[in-house]
Amino acid sequence: QLLESGGHLVQPGESLRLSCAASGFTFSGYAMSWVRQAPGRGLEWVSTLGTTGGTYYADSVKGRFTVSSDRSRTTLYLQMNSLRGDDTAVYFCAKYSLGASGRLFDPWGQGTLVTVSS
Amino acid sequence: IQLTQSPSSLSASVGDRVTITCRASQGISSDLAWFQQKPGRAPKLLIYAASTLQSGVPSRFSGSGSGTDFTLTISSLQPEDFATYYCQQLNSFPITFGQGTRLEIK
Repeated sequence: QLLESGGHLVQPGESLRLSCAASGFTFSGYAMSWVRQAPGRGLEWVSTLGTTGGTYYADSVKGRFTVSSDRSRTTLYLQMNSLRGDDTAVYFCAKYSLGASGRLFDPWGQGTLVTVSS
Repeated sequence: IQLTQSPSSLSASVGDRVTITCRASQGISSDLAWFQQKPGRAPKLLIYAASTLQSGVPSRFSGSGSGTDFTLTISSLQPEDFATYYCQQLNSFPITFGQGTRLEIK
């Protein structure tokens, strides 16, 4: 239901834009998030686009990354500037919604690999 | 908000009962989720709101707790349960994850 794309090898300092396409639903009424996982490491929340357009970022990416969506709210983007080696990771997108009894991240995409290296 | 999982790794056998704990550095009500992740795969949601079983997840998985202390219990381990487990708090931004618990076959 979620499919990320756009990840590839870039040099330090370069920019990259990731996409997350939703099938079978639109983001309208839902928040959407990006989570990353460096090789062999744990999960790290990166950013959330709220239902009314508010944006939230981890300190590690604030000022360098920008989350947005298209007007139809079917594709989520992550614009990543001034990339560094420690941004190397698999980037996942996930729907962030309100379930029957609380908030949840589900479903997730399969992830796209970003490698930052010279 | 920091989340500390224990243990970091665990060896167990098929059929065992296993408990993983997650402690938050401050109260998060019941805004906690548990995920299972296998190598090369996306995380899979097991439990949200501390104790609500996600649709399609086997009933051998259960969660409990509120405030700062939470547990994930697997009542009878199956071969497909050997994976890494993460807790996640959604009470406030920045959203955070625990460091993970690797569950291995004894």
